[in-house]
Amino acid sequence: AAGVIQSPRHLIKEKRETATLKCYPIPRHDTVYWYQQGPGQDPQFLISFYEKMQSDKGSIPDRFSAQQFSDYHSELNMSSLELGDSALYFCASSHRQTQETQYFGPGTRLLVL
Amino acid sequence: QKEVEQNSGPLSVPEGAIASLNCTYSDRVSQSFFWYRQYSGKSPELIMSIYSNGDKEDGRFTAQLNKASQYVSLLIRDSQPSDSATYLCAVLPHTGGGNKLTFGTGTQLKVEL
Repeated sequence: AAGVIQSPRHLIKEKRETATLKCYPIPRHDTVYWYQQGPGQDPQFLISFYEKMQSDKGSIPDRFSAQQFSDYHSELNMSSLELGDSALYFCASSHRQTQETQYFGPGTRLLVL
Repeated sequence: QKEVEQNSGPLSVPEGAIASLNCTYSDRVSQSFFWYRQYSGKSPELIMSIYSNGDKEDGRFTAQLNKASQYVSLLIRDSQPSDSATYLCAVLPHTGGGNKLTFGTGTQLKVEL
């Protein structure tokens, strides 16, 4: 079965640079979620989109923005990167009709130097 | 107090034994509950979902939910070394599109030969 696709899988950036993470949800899923997981921590919700509209917002810094496109893929844009942004970034997708069961992608490991 | 509480462990069980993982949550309106398994550096993998009070069985896994006590658990029968991972309890407040999962800090399970 098709899964959530994320790219890139690994990313190394310098402080103050920008990064763009991409997420392709499971086919026919209409909702995309972004989570950040720091070392030894549980995943923290950043933001979600339902049918291309922002549906919920968590602890996402103002330096970050995201959107969902007409083909349902989503991009997380991160600017003015800080050392503390180094983490695993997961995208998850779900379909409203399946009671919001979220399936996670493999993640993007971001390292900010 | 975290919204979702888990004992961080590690929980060590011998191969073939039953592993019991517990989780409590604080928000009484929570409707949906999930158990994810996460290997180090990998993404959370859905193990079980449960929405109604009682038990739900799937292979070697049984999830138990008690909404009155705000308690959800996961039993793993015939534990295998490959079950060694961190188990994340996750709670969804209500259905309706784009809602965030709130995770516990996870319980590290070690299945010993």
